[in-house]
Amino acid sequence: EADIYQTPRYLVIGTGKKITLECSQTMGHDKMYWYQQDPGMELHLIHYSYGVNSTEKGDLSSESTVSRIRTEHFPLTLESARPSHTSQYLCASSDQGGNYGYTFGSGTRLTVV
Amino acid sequence: KNQVEQSPQSLIILEGKNCTLQCNYTVSPFSNLRWYKQDTGRGPVSLTIMTFSENTKSNGRYTATLDADTKQSSLHITASQLSDSASYICVVSDRGSTLGRLYFGRGTQLTVWP
Repeated sequence: EADIYQTPRYLVIGTGKKITLECSQTMGHDKMYWYQQDPGMELHLIHYSYGVNSTEKGDLSSESTVSRIRTEHFPLTLESARPSHTSQYLCASSDQGGNYGYTFGSGTRLTVV
Repeated sequence: KNQVEQSPQSLIILEGKNCTLQCNYTVSPFSNLRWYKQDTGRGPVSLTIMTFSENTKSNGRYTATLDADTKQSSLHITASQLSDSASYICVVSDRGSTLGRLYFGRGTQLTVWP
């Protein structure tokens, strides 16, 4: 049973639209992450958070933004979607040590047309 | 440069057969190594996690090995089933930062045929 939830699972949207991908976890984890994954490629970290009001950019440059107002919630927003944003977005969370309990959500498959 | 390389890139086997997937890494300092299974269009699901002192760990029909000296790991799948068809991702974590940085391989795409 999933303890980290992402919605929507699939999203097809037109260029220029604003979108928010939702991610929530019920494990009380302080650390949360957003990854971007293209088919056949490795996951790339685009944002992470150590806790409430803490957000940092990851390795891969992204035009998206994130917020962490509540421990359990870590939404990702694209102000103006473009076809280059088409990808799979995976949310994850981990315990304080990060060594165990690193759990991924089911992902959001975003297509921008 | 910290890297994780997996081989083969793809593999097709018949149901009931065994297979072994390989992972070589250059991540340093090493913290732990994880194997994940990722079904198409889904998020990765953890299979095993091993620290420096562990050289083998099993999870049902999945057995992972780790040689921290040669920086190699393998995932052995026994008596494969159709549901084993997925991408298997090797992930290595370093000890160099508070983040517990993860380095991902590109995965081995396993297809099990009936």
